[in-house]
Amino acid sequence: DQQVKQNSPSLSVQEGRISILNCDYTNSMFDYFLWYKKYPAEGPTFLISISSIKDKNEDGRFTVFLNKSAKHLSLHIVPSQPGDSAVYFCAATPVLGTSGSRLTFGEGTQLTVNP
Amino acid sequence: DVKVTQSSRYLVKRTGEKVFLECVQDMDHENMFWYRQDPGLGLRLIYFSYDVKMKEKGDIPEGYSVSREKKERFSLILESASTNQTSMYLCASTLGGGGEAFFGQGTRLTVV
Repeated sequence: DQQVKQNSPSLSVQEGRISILNCDYTNSMFDYFLWYKKYPAEGPTFLISISSIKDKNEDGRFTVFLNKSAKHLSLHIVPSQPGDSAVYFCAATPVLGTSGSRLTFGEGTQLTVNP
Repeated sequence: DVKVTQSSRYLVKRTGEKVFLECVQDMDHENMFWYRQDPGLGLRLIYFSYDVKMKEKGDIPEGYSVSREKKERFSLILESASTNQTSMYLCASTLGGGGEAFFGQGTRLTVV
């Protein structure tokens, strides 16, 4: 039962263009959503997050959009740079701060930004 | 600077061996997690711990056990390694429930 789903295993974009990575979830208890970036042979690093009380959060070139009714979120990267090439994981968790609460991850999307 | 350190970057073990993967965090975090990453499957939770000596099964605990004797250290044990446990293992910690997780650099385990 995959509660967090990233349907695109890979995405290729040109440098300078927009990258849009998508994520769907099924568990209506999820309350907080995060995106992680992972380079080969390294651990994932936190990129950006959004609480369910918001529909948008922006941090520099990265913006996350949340559509609660559709149980869908997306990560926009503008402009895309070759250094953004990595695997991106979407993650979700129920109420933030609850002891023992854990992150559920999607399958990941390999983003390749071509110079 | 926050840090989660895994004891080995690469390990090669034989089928049937008992394998220990160690993880240490220096952030005084309550929660610690062990995930494995496999292509097309994302990060799957094996076990987690929200307090010393406490442990909870994740989604794929079979063939694994864990130990948390001290707050900063969380060990993953493969009781009898098998080839289907060849994977990238990632340790993570969080201050409270959910929220931003800090990951170690990963251990690439190959079981032959």
